[in-house]
Amino acid sequence: GAVVSQHPSWVICKSGTSVKIECRSLDFQATTMFWYRQFPKQSLMLMATSNEGSKATYEQGVEKDKFLINHASLTLSTLTVTSAHPEDSSFYICSARDKGQKNYGYTFGSGTRLTVV
Amino acid sequence: DAKTTQPTSMDCAEGRAANLPCNHSTISGNEYVYWYRQIHSQGPQYIIHGLKNNETNEMASLIITEDRKSSTLILPHATLRDTAVYYCIVRVETGGFKTIFGAGTRLFVKA
Repeated sequence: GAVVSQHPSWVICKSGTSVKIECRSLDFQATTMFWYRQFPKQSLMLMATSNEGSKATYEQGVEKDKFLINHASLTLSTLTVTSAHPEDSSFYICSARDKGQKNYGYTFGSGTRLTVV
Repeated sequence: DAKTTQPTSMDCAEGRAANLPCNHSTISGNEYVYWYRQIHSQGPQYIIHGLKNNETNEMASLIITEDRKSSTLILPHATLRDTAVYYCIVRVETGGFKTIFGAGTRLFVKA
């Protein structure tokens, strides 16, 4: 089945630094990937839609200059949290769609836990 | 995408069937009902989806009412590993459309 790999699974960084999170579709090509953020005991909140070869589409209230998304190939999207602050500490999850899957469902990565200190 | 309403939490005894309800009274004709679950600190996992007919796979069954305004996910023999948050989502099936998560139902399976 379709597999989405996220890296790293957890990261601790200092306030003011930038962190890059990778999302790879391992056995399929994904023209569209989605990035979510999840705070403790809350649901997933969609941040942006990442489109291969074009600019990402951000949800209302999400700062595009702070959360840089690059989708340079059909198997890789990256999310860079720039100038991270403690309030950016969260669980970040990506998802991608395998057109070949019967369910047209979206496969999710295992998530990246970011802690900003 | 249409909104869904789910109970905040439910308990189920191990080995018994877990029936998780979902209301989606504003669902459109081309929207499917999807179910995902999220085990603590992991990414969501697809369970099942359907349009109007009842569906069954190796994980669960999905019962959709005739008017499509509600559905029930059934885990026939719940195990402790089924403890998770279950999300009911309605969306069109074609690609590129966002998947918006509601609050979900926290299912506790007890020994």
